[in-house]
Amino acid sequence: NAGVTQTPKFQVLKTGQSMTLQCAQDMNHEYMSWYRQDPGMGLRLIHYSVGAGITDQGEVPNGYNVSRSTTEDFPLRLLSAAPSQTSVYFCASSPGTLAPNLKETQYFGPGTRLLVL
Amino acid sequence: RKEVEQDPGPFNVPEGATVAFNCTYSNSASQSFFWYRQDCRKEPKLLMSVYSSGNEDGRFTAQLNRASQYISLLIRDSKLSDSATYLCVVTDNYGQNFVFGPGTRLSVLP
Repeated sequence: NAGVTQTPKFQVLKTGQSMTLQCAQDMNHEYMSWYRQDPGMGLRLIHYSVGAGITDQGEVPNGYNVSRSTTEDFPLRLLSAAPSQTSVYFCASSPGTLAPNLKETQYFGPGTRLLVL
Repeated sequence: RKEVEQDPGPFNVPEGATVAFNCTYSNSASQSFFWYRQDCRKEPKLLMSVYSSGNEDGRFTAQLNRASQYISLLIRDSKLSDSATYLCVVTDNYGQNFVFGPGTRLSVLP
């Protein structure tokens, strides 16, 4: 059981280039999400999905697209990279809505470090 | 006002010390609450969920005060391995999306 996997681990892009960050989970989780983490700002939600075929925007969606064609995969696309998108990106998954006092939570992948020059 | 606020830190404490982290949140409809720890250049990992009645896991104790919208984490008998950033996390009204605090960094010194 690999959990949540992300590729690549590290990427350098030039301004204007596009790329896709891959995320996969093998826990049959309904909910998947993408966050970015910047110094002093904590993790911020970019996009999320509550199941295959369903996606929605989070707090900072501009410049990013997502799709969810299968339960397992949730790729994040940068359409035209900008230096402001230099960040660490984390993908996460959970079984679904987290009711209080249930012993479940979101599980995070190891992250992708992106540098946009 | 940020949705989730934490002590700015960093906290530098000697081994064996007791350290307390504080967190406040603005959304009174938040349903679930967690403490995560994040080691340098690693992903966040669940430390413990925070239950309404409070809960303890070994040296770690978490408390929740819904009326004050306040969460705390107490670490007793600090170990060098406790050095990390501690993230306070609450869910949104629907119990699915996470809202993270900025984190408080802890360094336990020998």
